[in-house]
Amino acid sequence: GAVVSQHPSRVICKSGTSVKIECRSLDFQATTMFWYRQFPKQSLMLMATSNEGSKATYEQGVEKDKFLINHASLTLSTLTVTSAHPEDSSFYICSARVGSGRVREKLFFGSGTQLSVL
Amino acid sequence: DAKTTQPPSMDCAEGRAANLPCNHSTISGNEYVYWYRQIHSQGPQYIIHGLKNNETNEMASLIITEDRKSSTLILPHATLRDTAVYYCIVRANNAGNMLTFGGGTRLMVKP
Repeated sequence: GAVVSQHPSRVICKSGTSVKIECRSLDFQATTMFWYRQFPKQSLMLMATSNEGSKATYEQGVEKDKFLINHASLTLSTLTVTSAHPEDSSFYICSARVGSGRVREKLFFGSGTQLSVL
Repeated sequence: DAKTTQPPSMDCAEGRAANLPCNHSTISGNEYVYWYRQIHSQGPQYIIHGLKNNETNEMASLIITEDRKSSTLILPHATLRDTAVYYCIVRANNAGNMLTFGGGTRLMVKP
C-alpha cells in the first residue's frame, strides 16, 4: 500500500518550546492531508485538514495559532506545536488520501508522533 | 457521517476466526463502510472497505448485510499480531475525505 512517513516518532520537549512534526507521502502526491490527535485510551480526534497551497481548515476547539499547519508541497505537510505545554502531550497522527474515484479511494496513516512536554 | 456502534472489546483464540460486528443503522446510500485497525502506539492501518457487496482481500473479509445496517469484519485465522483496536467507519467519499473515529473494538487474540 501507499506509504505515509511521519517524523519524528517520539519527541520530548520543555514547556514553552515549539515542536515541528513532518508528514510525507513517499510514493504519491497528496493534495489533502489530515492531522489527528489521540490521548491515552481514547480514539483519534481530527484536528485539521491540510490543503496543499492554501490555509488549513481547523476543527472546532483547535487553536490555529497554536497548531500551525503548512502544506507547501504535494508530498509534505508539517504541524508545529507552538509554545508547547504539558497538556499538549499526546499522540499526533497524519493521514493522506490515495486514489481517485469512489471505489479505490483510501486514507493511509503515518506511524504517529508521541509528544511529551515536560 | 453515519454513527457506528461496536462492542468495546472482544477476545479470540489464536488460529480461530475473529468476527467483529458493527452496527450502522443510519447509513445512507452513498456511504461506504471502512475498517481500520490500530496496533498500540502506531498509526491506523487500512484493512478493507465496501459499499454493499461483500469484499475480501489478503487481510480480511467484509460482510455487509443486505439492508446495509450492519457489517462484520472477519479475520479468518487470527494471530497474536492481530491484537489491536478495530475501527468501523462509515463515510461518503465526498465528505471532505476525512475519517471520524468512534471508540472501536479492542480485539485481544489469546494463545
